[in-house]
Amino acid sequence: AQKVTQAQTEISVVEKEDVTLDCVYETRDTTYYLFWYKQPPSGELVFLIRRNSFDEQNEISGRYSWNFQKSTSSFNFTITASQVVDSAVYFCALSEAVNAGNNRKLIWGLGTSLAVNP
Amino acid sequence: NAGVTQTPKFQVLKTGQSMTLQCAQDMNHEYMSWYRQDPGMGLRLIHYSVGAGITDQGEVPNGYNVSRSTTEDFPLRLLSAAPSQTSVYFCASSYGTSGVPPGANVLTFGAGSRLTVL
Repeated sequence: AQKVTQAQTEISVVEKEDVTLDCVYETRDTTYYLFWYKQPPSGELVFLIRRNSFDEQNEISGRYSWNFQKSTSSFNFTITASQVVDSAVYFCALSEAVNAGNNRKLIWGLGTSLAVNP
Repeated sequence: NAGVTQTPKFQVLKTGQSMTLQCAQDMNHEYMSWYRQDPGMGLRLIHYSVGAGITDQGEVPNGYNVSRSTTEDFPLRLLSAAPSQTSVYFCASSYGTSGVPPGANVLTFGAGSRLTVL
């Protein structure tokens, strides 16, 4: 079963529109970490944010904001006033424990491809 | 700092050939991992390591071997290449900070290696 679901496969918006990318996760861990990464057309993977399960405060970084809600197991990402340079594939990921030890691994969503058109 | 360096960037193999994808990091990161990225499949973990001499399997380990003899290097070996291993491969590393295990920290990715198996 998919543990990280990004229901939106592709989104297309016009520049300056706001856009929200959804991420729903599933885990039994009480301690876990959530991430967003960006993959622009050039192909590299770039870290955007990490949030741990004990910190439900929303975060804003410039035009980017994140809404973490444990009650709905969601960690949504909003871009305000989108720009063409925001065009990329965005991945949500969940880090959960592998076993009773300290090992962890990331489970990735399938990504949302965002196209921002001029 | 070079960060995470992957070589080669591109490789074409024939079915049955073997090869090694190299990954080196100069950040003294404890955690290193290999992912493959396929269209519509997102990123899937192949193998990971939480320190020199320690490796473990990820989601899709079959057909791949790894070793971690030093902190810096984490090569991925394809034993007998198959067309199903045509993919883009990413190496990534992270450190552990107080209270946050290495596998839950921010990943630094290499630029990727595009492998085609004919």
